[in-house]
Amino acid sequence: DQQVKQNSPSLSVQEGRISILNCDYTNSMFDYFLWYKKYPAEGPTFLISISSIKDKNEDGRFTVFLNKSAKHLSLHIVPSQPGDSAVYFCAASGGNQGGKLIFGQGTELSVKP
Amino acid sequence: DAGVIQSPRHEVTEMGQEVTLRCKPISGHDYLFWYRQTMMRGLELLIYFNNNVPIDDSGMPEDRFSAKMPNASFSTLKIQPSEPRDSAVYFCASSFARNEQFFGPGTRLTVL
Repeated sequence: DQQVKQNSPSLSVQEGRISILNCDYTNSMFDYFLWYKKYPAEGPTFLISISSIKDKNEDGRFTVFLNKSAKHLSLHIVPSQPGDSAVYFCAASGGNQGGKLIFGQGTELSVKP
Repeated sequence: DAGVIQSPRHEVTEMGQEVTLRCKPISGHDYLFWYRQTMMRGLELLIYFNNNVPIDDSGMPEDRFSAKMPNASFSTLKIQPSEPRDSAVYFCASSFARNEQFFGPGTRLTVL
């Protein structure tokens, strides 16, 4: 049973436009959500997070939105740059998960010049 | 800070051999995680430690897999005997409390 789902395996966006990556979760006990970025042959790197007491968190070009009623979060990248091309994972923690993060399957973003 | 250090970066071995992967977490972090990434299953948690104590090993696929953390600065993941289906990238990550995890560069394991 996949508790965190990223239904789009890939996304292609033109440079300068907005990239929107989506993530859905099923466990209502999750209280902390994160996005990681992964380049080939490297480990995932932390990008941005949001607590369940908020519905938006912004860091430069990156904004994460959380809709608790829909159990949905999204990552907006504005404007998108070719260097943003990577695989993006959403992750969630909380409830009975202890210190664990539950990861989605990832979405591969390609930003074309 | 050097970040999370993993060794080796690449390992090629034959079926039936023992494989040991190593991890040095970031100094001061009290959580350590071992993950495996495959095309089929994505990024899956194998086991994690808190203050050197294994907390949840429910992700360990079978008894051929074992992990230890003898002290706060070192952990190993051992596969004995290895099988071709164990081929994957293995990541170690560490964190302080329940904050964001920092990942190492990974070990690419190929079992022939």
